[in-house]
Amino acid sequence: GEDVEQSLFLSVREGDSSVINCTYTDSSSTYLYWYKQEPGAGLQLLTYIFSNMDMKQDQRLTVLLNKKDKHLSLRIADTQTGDSAIYFCAEKGSSNTGKLIFGQGTTLQVKP
Amino acid sequence: GAVVSQHPSRVICKSGTSVKIECRSLDFQATTMFWYRQFPKQSLMLMATSNEGSKATYEQGVEKDKFLINHASLTLSTLTVTSAHPEDSSFYICSARDLPLAGVGVYNEQFFGPGTRLTVL
Repeated sequence: GEDVEQSLFLSVREGDSSVINCTYTDSSSTYLYWYKQEPGAGLQLLTYIFSNMDMKQDQRLTVLLNKKDKHLSLRIADTQTGDSAIYFCAEKGSSNTGKLIFGQGTTLQVKP
Repeated sequence: GAVVSQHPSRVICKSGTSVKIECRSLDFQATTMFWYRQFPKQSLMLMATSNEGSKATYEQGVEKDKFLINHASLTLSTLTVTSAHPEDSSFYICSARDLPLAGVGVYNEQFFGPGTRLTVL
C-alpha cells in the first residue's frame, strides 16, 4: 500500500540550513508536496515537485527528489524562528481521486 | 491562492450531541472536498472524499453513519459528527480543489481550511 515516512523532529539554530527528509513507497506518485502547519492552523502549501523532476528551487526552499530511492527532501536556507512549524510531506498517486497521502510530519524547532 | 474557510473554529459539546462543521470555498468552486482528522502530534488521516452532488466516498474504517458528509453546492461541504463521544475529540480539517477529477500527470492543488477543534465532554 501507499506509505509516507518522515523523521519526527529536527532542531536547528537560526541562520543554519534545515533539511527535512521523506520517503515514500508508491512508485506511481505523480506529484509530491511539502506543507507547513503552524500551531492550531490548517496546512499551507509550500512547494511541490512533479515526479519527472529532480530538483526545484523557490527562494529559500529547495526540493530534491530521488525517484529511484523514493526519497524527497526539503532544504530551508537561512532558517528563521518563523519557520518553526510542522512540515508534512505528501504524495499524490496515480489514481484520479486527487487523494493525498501524508507523512507523520516533522516538527522543526529553530533556536535563536 | 484560493481561500477555504471552516466554521466553527472551535466547538465544545456534551457527549451524545451532534455537531456540524462547515467548509466553504470562498473564491472558487470546489467540485471536490476532502475531510481529514488530525490527532495531537500526528498526521492527517483522510476520512472521506466529497464530490458535489454525489455521495461521499469514505475511507476504510470511517463510520459513514457517524460522520455524515453533505456537499450540496460547489462552495459548501458539511461534516456532521453524530452522537459525539469524547473519543471523537480531534482537529478536523477540510480541503478543497477546483478541478474536476483529473487523470495522471495533471496538477491540482488542494487548498486547506484552518481546521476545527472539536472537544466532546
